[in-house]
Amino acid sequence: TQLLEQSPQFLSIQEGENLTVYCNSSSVFSSLQWYRQEPGEGPVLLVTVVTGGEVKKLKRLTFQFGDARKDSSLHITAAQPGDTGLYLCAGPNFGNEKLTFGTGTRLTIIP
Amino acid sequence: DTGVSQDPRHKITKRGQNVTFRCDPISEHNRLYWYRQTLGQGPEFLTYFQNEAQLEKSRLLSDRFSAERPKGSFSTLEIQRTEQGDSAMYLCASSLGGLADTQYFGPGTRLTVL
Repeated sequence: TQLLEQSPQFLSIQEGENLTVYCNSSSVFSSLQWYRQEPGEGPVLLVTVVTGGEVKKLKRLTFQFGDARKDSSLHITAAQPGDTGLYLCAGPNFGNEKLTFGTGTRLTIIP
Repeated sequence: DTGVSQDPRHKITKRGQNVTFRCDPISEHNRLYWYRQTLGQGPEFLTYFQNEAQLEKSRLLSDRFSAERPKGSFSTLEIQRTEQGDSAMYLCASSLGGLADTQYFGPGTRLTVL
């Protein structure tokens, strides 16, 4: 079984601070996706990273895919209360169609 | 709104009853996936369809679970003789397929088995 481990599991910070969430695996992934999920709703796709070493920016969010395609990070600058939610990384293993999801990081931004 | 809809959004049932959930994917998507998510965890894969063909089933999908996609459009997931351990959020996703395939998720059906 190929696993994706996220850290930290919980993070609570003040509005305006920066934070980084990590997603790690011992397995190689052809791509990794980051989702945000709010209570009672399905995950919403934020970004897909495909190339090893790739960096993508989405406003205050910066996503990086590790060179070896085994890890990824999400950095949020100047966090806002609207960033609160469950952040999930997910990836299809080579040869598989299904997504393996990470353990999730529950982020709370305190106004 | 991702374009994937699920019905019902919430279902409360008594142990031993049968329940059926429906998923309507984005219309041009030929792949449809079912996942289950328990509180505090990431979603876990259950099964997926390529058009009307069910191509893979997880070991999580016991004999009490059955999924269909009869015309390659909407899909149903039925759970027979529900157990309290079946309580979870059931998520449906659809995709076009291909390299760096992106799955779009519906809002989920929250099942509570009493």
